[in-house]
Amino acid sequence: GAVVSQHPSWVICKSGTSVKIECRSLDFQATTMFWYRQFPKQSLMLMATSNEGSKATYEQGVEKDKFLINHASLTLSTLTVTSAHPEDSSFYICSARDGGQEIYEQYFGPGTRLTVT
Amino acid sequence: AQSVTQLDSQVPVFEEAPVELRCNYSSSVSVYLFWYVQYPNQGLQLLLKYLSGSTLVKGINGFEAEFNKSQTSFHLRKPSVHISDTAEYFCAVSEGYSTLTFGKGTMLLVSP
Repeated sequence: GAVVSQHPSWVICKSGTSVKIECRSLDFQATTMFWYRQFPKQSLMLMATSNEGSKATYEQGVEKDKFLINHASLTLSTLTVTSAHPEDSSFYICSARDGGQEIYEQYFGPGTRLTVT
Repeated sequence: AQSVTQLDSQVPVFEEAPVELRCNYSSSVSVYLFWYVQYPNQGLQLLLKYLSGSTLVKGINGFEAEFNKSQTSFHLRKPSVHISDTAEYFCAVSEGYSTLTFGKGTMLLVSP
């Protein structure tokens, strides 16, 4: 149980285009989802927290107009990187909290490798 | 504010040897502590967690960790490592319902 999927697992896009990453909780309802960014050989940095049906809360320094987060249902959150640039290339990981279980635990997706050329 | 310090960025060890990965945290309130493992190009997998109760926590793959409140530590141990344990290990802390704060990670390198 408690499986989180991400799609795509990797994506290459051209500079200036937008790319959408999906995060799905497969066997539970995720009341809260989180989006992280990880640079090579570094730790995870929280970008934003989203609750189903409400606007995401962004961490300081994260551009909300560039990284659009939508949590339209209890099983799906999307991260759209708009007007991508090479510096946006990174490993993006989502996680989710099960609304019906221990709320202290987050279940992580397998990550999406974004490369902007 | 909570923070996590993983003192070693890399720990080399021979197969079948014991290993300890160190983690210290700082927080002004009670915390919940986690260890995650990340294999290359993959997401995070939970190894173990401390929420309350016994300070010795056993996790998957033969790992265990001990919560020491006086030393604000949550070190991860395994008595005998395998080549397959080679991965990045992250310690994380959460204050109640708040978000997770991760350490910088420790790369465990197991060689034959």
